[in-house]
Amino acid sequence: DIQMTQSPSSLSASVGDRVTITCRASQTITNYLNWYQQKPGKAPKLLIYSASSLQSGVPSRFSGSGSGTDFTLIISSLQPEDFAAYYCHQTYMVPYTFGQGTKLEIK
Amino acid sequence: QVQLVQSGAEVKKPGASVKVSCKSSGYTFTDYYIHWVRQAPGQGLEWMGRINPNIGVTNYAQKFQGRVSMTRDTSITTAYMELSGLVSDDTAVYYCARDESTSGWLHHWGQGALVTVSS
Repeated sequence: DIQMTQSPSSLSASVGDRVTITCRASQTITNYLNWYQQKPGKAPKLLIYSASSLQSGVPSRFSGSGSGTDFTLIISSLQPEDFAAYYCHQTYMVPYTFGQGTKLEIK
Repeated sequence: QVQLVQSGAEVKKPGASVKVSCKSSGYTFTDYYIHWVRQAPGQGLEWMGRINPNIGVTNYAQKFQGRVSMTRDTSITTAYMELSGLVSDDTAVYYCARDESTSGWLHHWGQGALVTVSS
């Protein structure tokens, strides 16, 4: 199975900050990498697919990059509604696997 | 619009089985895989497997092999996930989700179904 290692596992930041979350795959997954946001009690929400494509309706302050094994999610200027958990997810090969998540908290 | 509506919360005893349903609407049911993802309390997301609703072929995570069964009924556009031999660690919210393309990203999600395993 492909292991997805996400970092950091938690992060404290302030409104307006630029935040970077990274995800590393245990083998190449080309660009089959997706990012989700999850708020408490809610289903995950797709933010980024195919490493860098912004899902329709998602604010442009979210961006994704990377290919191969190393990927990044950037939130350029944190807004109050962005405090949530974030997960990377590889869909290169079954079994599809998620990173362990990053909990983004208000500083 | 695409909707996935799951069955309600369940409480099961250890050793029992649970079957969660996922009713799809707003699209052609047989055109897209349905995936199952679970989340234990306070934990991350765990991919369990997927089913091709057109031909019924499944892929399961090895962790659940032999204990999970994913099926579908195309006549009522509903997918099912049955997990047997329940233990307390199976207490979780179980989500169904539809992928968007052959690249597998999950755009549409059900609301989740809480399964509690307790004696």
